[in-house]
Amino acid sequence: EPEVTQTPSHQVTQMGQEVILRCVPISNHLYFYWYRQILGQKVEFLVSFYNNEISEKSEIFDDQFSVERPDGSNFTLKIRSTKLEDSAMYFCASSEATPRYEQYFGPGTRLTVT
Amino acid sequence: AQKVTQAQTEISVVEKEDVTLDCVYETRDTTYYLFWYKQPPSGELVFLIRRNSFDEQNEISGRYSWNFQKSTSSFNFTITASQVVDSAVYFCALRAPSGSARQLTFGSGTQLTVLP
Repeated sequence: EPEVTQTPSHQVTQMGQEVILRCVPISNHLYFYWYRQILGQKVEFLVSFYNNEISEKSEIFDDQFSVERPDGSNFTLKIRSTKLEDSAMYFCASSEATPRYEQYFGPGTRLTVT
Repeated sequence: AQKVTQAQTEISVVEKEDVTLDCVYETRDTTYYLFWYKQPPSGELVFLIRRNSFDEQNEISGRYSWNFQKSTSSFNFTITASQVVDSAVYFCALRAPSGSARQLTFGSGTQLTVLP
């Protein structure tokens, strides 16, 4: 069964460093998303991406964040200058084109900023 | 604005008991989609079910059943004869696609612990 994959599973970085989180969405899906979950809290939407551009973003997704689809399979989230409060689990998700379709989530990348 | 409320923070049951997880949502959209996801201790988010706002037929799938009540804006989830492996955090989520909006709005989750 097709699945969303994410690498790395755990990333430790120092405050102020740049990190890139990688995702491979399900191959026939057209919408891609990033969500984050601070430990013990709810899952929060960051950004959605369609047709090689951002279609929607939340207030959390400020200038330190960026997304890219560098090739036909990968979808990345870059955090430019990490802060302690960026420590969270970051989930990538993908879905088919129409709104009724469910989003399938990857296993997540746990980011720890020290 | 959309909102999902899961009032039960934690529920603990003994194996084989039935358990219902509550979800109440708010949206101004007339067409919307509701979801349940499961997050086991390993951390991944597992899709369980999707319901469309125009389909109020309730569903049973094995030990799982869902009760969608549009009149009360509720989308509750019941596990029959619970098992230890059901222990997880369960999230209710809403997608109300106003315009191009496709993001999921999650509730705060209910931690279900099934004791042997």
